[in-house]
Amino acid sequence: ELKVEQNPLFLSMQEGKNYTIYCNYSTTSDRLYWYRQDPGKSLESLFVLLSNGAVKQEGRLMASLDTKARLSTLHITAAVHDLSATYFCAVDIWDTDKLIFGTGTRLQVFP
Amino acid sequence: DTEVTQTPKHLVMGMTNKKSLKCEQHMGHRAMYWYKQKAKKPPELMFVYSYEKLSINESVPSRFSPECPNSSLLNLHLHALQPEDSALYLCASSPLPGTAKGGIYGYTFGSGTRLTVV
Repeated sequence: ELKVEQNPLFLSMQEGKNYTIYCNYSTTSDRLYWYRQDPGKSLESLFVLLSNGAVKQEGRLMASLDTKARLSTLHITAAVHDLSATYFCAVDIWDTDKLIFGTGTRLQVFP
Repeated sequence: DTEVTQTPKHLVMGMTNKKSLKCEQHMGHRAMYWYKQKAKKPPELMFVYSYEKLSINESVPSRFSPECPNSSLLNLHLHALQPEDSALYLCASSPLPGTAKGGIYGYTFGSGTRLTVV
């Protein structure tokens, strides 16, 4: 059965701290995406990772992909309150037209 | 135009009503998707259209009926829904379907339709 699992599911962290969100998937894929969702809103694209070893950075967020380990990470550096949201990874399933979402990580940053 | 436009933004319907959700994109994308998202859950794939043909139906109940009249437009027809069908319905598009080789990848999501079934 296909699984795209994130951990942690919920993360409460203090401003200024660093943390990493993990995304594990159980099928062959070399395309992985990270999205942000604010409450009641749609999905905002953060990163597109298209090959093994890909690393992308934007502001305080950095994403990486290891296709051999079937693992992607989203690293948060010096968190600020504005980063509070739910973060989803999503995986293109090899040789299908499917994009499947991970379980989601709800991030709350407090002063 | 780099957007996916969904209408309406909010919809309240009774269990005996028939309504439709609409999704439009003018980016020349050849794959379009419907997702359903319940509160505090990830989006769940419902349907995929590839080159205007239905390529994936994730065992969705027949009270949901998708339609792709042309390459820019995707509809979701709703009939005899249940209260548990209340959710955020998201439309997305991508330049090519996932099975296309050597394509440009990435997905653009619309702002969604918040559906309430009473």
